[in-house]
Amino acid sequence: DAKTTQPPSMDCAEGRAANLPCNHSTISGNEYVYWYRQIHSQGPQYIIHGLKNNETNEMASLIITEDRKSSTLILPHATLRDTAVYYCIVDRDGNTGKLIFGQGTTLQVKP
Amino acid sequence: DGGITQSPKYLFRKEGQNVTLSCEQNLNHDAMYWYRQDPGQGLRLIYYSQIVNDFQKGDIAEGYSVSREKKESFPLTVTSAQKNPTAFYLCASKVRTARAPLHFGNGTRLTVT
Repeated sequence: DAKTTQPPSMDCAEGRAANLPCNHSTISGNEYVYWYRQIHSQGPQYIIHGLKNNETNEMASLIITEDRKSSTLILPHATLRDTAVYYCIVDRDGNTGKLIFGQGTTLQVKP
Repeated sequence: DGGITQSPKYLFRKEGQNVTLSCEQNLNHDAMYWYRQDPGQGLRLIYYSQIVNDFQKGDIAEGYSVSREKKESFPLTVTSAQKNPTAFYLCASKVRTARAPLHFGNGTRLTVT
């Protein structure tokens, strides 16, 4: 199973872009990259996922390197409400949806 | 609004007692999951069910039991055999389509003393 490595914490100024990196150097060809976030004492919230092309939705953009060994989640204009733990996950089993959540990156958005 | 309801939000039990955590969803999802989260840690999968009357063990199933008699409901029982039951428990669901995202409830915080 592919593993992911994320920095334990990051800061971002309110209104600026937040760029959250993730390394997944052992990812295999059919594994997707997922991002979720968890605000304190709540359930995780799905953000975005992708295979090899860059993806964008109303919440964020996902940039995956050409060799697929790393990716970056971009929150274009961070707000205080984006303060959360962000999890980068490689899909271990797409059929069952069994995802491995590591410790993630705690993003602190500061005024 | 559709969603996942976990109740209660906080639960207190004495050691040696079994306790059942409720999870109900009205999203018409086939698959449901239970995760456990300890302070400062990621989520670990306890059990999951892809269809009514069927479920599979996750990575840390020992000391837990589940049932899936209805599509909407996936209760988790924390038995007295679970050595460290105090934790934050999260229920999730998804459609069975591959790659579909998980939808989570807001969790139940269980404290056993």
